[in-house]
Amino acid sequence: GAVVSQHPSRVICKSGTSVKIECRSLDFQATTMFWYRQFPKQSLMLMATSNEGSKATYEQGVEKDKFLINHASLTLSTLTVTSAHPEDSSFYICSARQGPSKEGAFFGQGTRLTVV
Amino acid sequence: AQSVTQLDSQVPVFEEAPVELRCNYSSSVSVYLFWYVQYPNQGLQLLLKYLSGSTLVKGINGFEAEFNKSQTSFHLRKPSVHISDTAEYFCAVSEGGGSYIPTFGRGTSLIVHP
Repeated sequence: GAVVSQHPSRVICKSGTSVKIECRSLDFQATTMFWYRQFPKQSLMLMATSNEGSKATYEQGVEKDKFLINHASLTLSTLTVTSAHPEDSSFYICSARQGPSKEGAFFGQGTRLTVV
Repeated sequence: AQSVTQLDSQVPVFEEAPVELRCNYSSSVSVYLFWYVQYPNQGLQLLLKYLSGSTLVKGINGFEAEFNKSQTSFHLRKPSVHISDTAEYFCAVSEGGGSYIPTFGRGTSLIVHP
């Protein structure tokens, strides 16, 4: 299957700093990428959908100024958590697909963010 | 709007026993159904999917699922589980004719005991 690489797998940052998470599609062109947040023992919560070359579409309740999403190329999307707070600590997962498709998307390995 | 219900938050089972993880969905249009597995601190791996055709779908690691339209269900089964199957399992549904963005269930934790 297609490969989606997410980096870093774990990151610890201080409160008030920003941290960037990368999501790359290694063997296909991802016209659409999705960013999810997952709390312990809970399901995936869709944060935003990004299409290459356009602004991301954020889900209701997600602060777009806090969670900056860039999808500048067909193989890379980034999520930047700005001015991080301890409550932003969570597991963040990206997924990518090549256009709208019933086949579904491919998921990255996830990033464990801890804000101290 | 689509929704997914995973009825069991946790399913304990002994090694080599059969297991069924339940998933029900609601949707007003045609649906596409998925089961994913998540190991600790990892992303989601696709186990199997139903897009069309045969209602019995076979996936990786010996898992299978059956699409039942009348009962709006897509239960996941394995005839004999291993310790290594211990993980979180997510059912997801997406609707046809739209953006195909999936909705996930809350997940079922499968715990296999020796």
